[in-house]
Amino acid sequence: DIQMTQSPSSLSASVGDRVTITCQASQDISNYLHWYQQKPGKAPKLLIYDASNLETGVPSRFSGSGSGSHFTFTITSLQPEDIATYYCQYYDFFPITFGQGTRLEIK
Amino acid sequence: EVRLVQSGGGLVQPGGSLRLSCAASGFTLSTYWMHWVRQAPGKGLEWVSRFRVDGSGTDYADSVKGRFTISRDNAKNTLYLQMNSLRAEDTAVYYCARDIHHRRLDPWGQGSLVTVSS
Repeated sequence: DIQMTQSPSSLSASVGDRVTITCQASQDISNYLHWYQQKPGKAPKLLIYDASNLETGVPSRFSGSGSGSHFTFTITSLQPEDIATYYCQYYDFFPITFGQGTRLEIK
Repeated sequence: EVRLVQSGGGLVQPGGSLRLSCAASGFTLSTYWMHWVRQAPGKGLEWVSRFRVDGSGTDYADSVKGRFTISRDNAKNTLYLQMNSLRAEDTAVYYCARDIHHRRLDPWGQGSLVTVSS
């Protein structure tokens, strides 16, 4: 099975900072990589699909890039409401694999 | 609006059973593959089970195979997860989610807390 390694596991940043999270796949997964935001006590929410496509209604400060085995998720200007845990996810028919998550906090 | 509304969950003793429900609105459940994903307290996301549209079957994580059963009632537009022989390690919030193109999950239900404890 393909393994997803997400880093860092936690991150503390100030409002307005640029934040970057990476996800590394154990082999080439094309662009079958998606990013979810999970706020405390809430269900995960899809933000970015197919590595770089912004889901409808998601603020443009969120973006994703990458292909093959290395992927990046970026928040260009961190806002207080962005406090959450972020997960990458790979799925190509079977199985579904999630990264370990990155817990984002405000300094 | 596409929504998934969950019900069920609660406290159950080890070895007990519980059924979770996931009612869909805004789309026809029978035309989508559907999933259950769980999250143990303070942990990450773990895929549990999948129901395929073509009736070719269902899939389960090794950790729940033989104990959990995923099913669907098309008339009620509702997905279920029957959980038997529950163990302490099954304690988690369980989410249902719709499969999009066998690539991503969207939307997700609000979650159902299952606590297995004596």
